Amino acid sequence: GENVEQHPSTLSVQEGDSAVIKCTYSDSASNYFPWYKQELGKGPQLIIDIRSNVGEKKDQRIAVTLNKTAKHFSLHITETQPEDSAVYFCAASTIGTSGSRLTFGEGTQLTVNP
Amino acid sequence: GAVVSQHPSWVICKSGTSVKIECRSLDFQATTMFWYRQFPKQSLMLMATSNEGSKATYEQGVEKDKFLINHASLTLSTLTVTSAHPEDSSFYICSAPRDVTDTQYFGPGTRLTVL
Repeated sequence: GENVEQHPSTLSVQEGDSAVIKCTYSDSASNYFPWYKQELGKGPQLIIDIRSNVGEKKDQRIAVTLNKTAKHFSLHITETQPEDSAVYFCAASTIGTSGSRLTFGEGTQLTVNP
Repeated sequence: GAVVSQHPSWVICKSGTSVKIECRSLDFQATTMFWYRQFPKQSLMLMATSNEGSKATYEQGVEKDKFLINHASLTLSTLTVTSAHPEDSSFYICSAPRDVTDTQYFGPGTRLTVL
C-alpha cells in the first residue's frame, strides 16, 4: 500500500518568512495530493491540492509543487502570519480506486512567531 | 462554509455504554464516507470506509462489532461505538469526497471521552 513520509515534524519561523514542508510517497499510481491544515480541536481543512497532471499550483500565499519522477511534493507558504500556526498534513490518493482513500503523512506543527 | 457536519461535537459517557456519532454531507451526496480516529499529536488513522447501501469496509485491526457503521442515506453516515471503554476515548472525524474529482472534505470532529 501507499506510504507517505512528511518532514519536518515541527517548524518554527518568524512572521513574514517562508515555510516549506516536504512529503514523499511510495506508490507511483497515486495521482492526487491534497494538503490539510488542522487547528487544535478541529477537523482538517483542505487548503490546496494538486493532481499528477500538473507540476505546480498556487493560491495566493500558498503553493504546492509535485515531482512525479522523484515521488515527492512540497507545500510552500510565503509571508507567514501568526494565524498560519497549525498542524499541516499532506496526503496521497489514487483517484478512481479504493473509493479515493487518502494516506496521510505524520503532520508538521508550524509555529509562526510574531 | 462547512460542507460536512458532525454531531455531537463532543460527548462524555460512562464505560459500557454506546455512543452514536453522525456525519452529514450538507450540500452534496456522498456514496462513500470515511471514518478516522486521531490521538493527540498524531496523524489521522483510517478506521473504515462507509458505503451507502452496502456494508462498511474496515481497516485491519479495527473491530467491526465494536465500531458499527451505517450509511443510511446519500447524506448520512453514523458511527456507533459499542460498549465504550476509556481506551476508546479519542477524536473521531469523518470525511466525504464532494464530487467525481474526489476532493475530500472533513467534518469538524467529535471528541469522545469515556469515563
